[in-house]
Amino acid sequence: AQSVTQPDIHITVSEGASLELRCNYSYGATPYLFWYVQSPGQGLQLLLKYFSGDTLVQGIKGFEAEFKRSQSSFNLRKPSVHWSDAAEYFCAVGARGGSEKLVFGKGTKLTVNP
Amino acid sequence: SQTIHQWPATLVQPVGSPLSLECTVEGTSNPNLYWYRQAAGRGLQLLFYSVGIGQISSEVPQNLSASRPQDRQFILSSKKLLLSDSGFYLCAWQRQGAQEAFFGQGTRLTVV
Repeated sequence: AQSVTQPDIHITVSEGASLELRCNYSYGATPYLFWYVQSPGQGLQLLLKYFSGDTLVQGIKGFEAEFKRSQSSFNLRKPSVHWSDAAEYFCAVGARGGSEKLVFGKGTKLTVNP
Repeated sequence: SQTIHQWPATLVQPVGSPLSLECTVEGTSNPNLYWYRQAAGRGLQLLFYSVGIGQISSEVPQNLSASRPQDRQFILSSKKLLLSDSGFYLCAWQRQGAQEAFFGQGTRLTVV
């Protein structure tokens, strides 16, 4: 079964600084990969997804993520963080074929300092 | 377009009372439906999923049950709530054959 690790529970950055949130997965083949964002007390919103093809994927709100098969990683990046990006971010992995359930990491809480 | 509705948004219930949380999806048919629970620092725990009416799979043993009486309706229930049932419950839907899931706004349940 697939699994996801987000090594950083909490990250603090200054507004305007660059951001990278780490995600490592475990799966026997190339998985489907997702990043979601959750504002306090809200549901999860899909930021971006990787299914196949170009390993650098663009998402909403200026985010991008890069799939690196050799490192089993799918890190989320943003060149310049805005105060409104403060939220919790979840990486998720889905298996190809069979069950369509998504498995989520434990999340990384992002704090943005002015 | 598709929308997902989840209610109530917040709920405070005494220990031992019953629970019913409802989730409905509009604008699609035969979706996969999911119930997740989110506890602080523990990420999203998948509780139940359903690929069709009356078809429910449970991921973890617990004090909760789920039902899907109609194609786009998914209900989370309990006969007697425990303190440990407190948490943030999220419903999600997914097109069959697709992978991304779309979430409702969640229900904050506090058992007192």
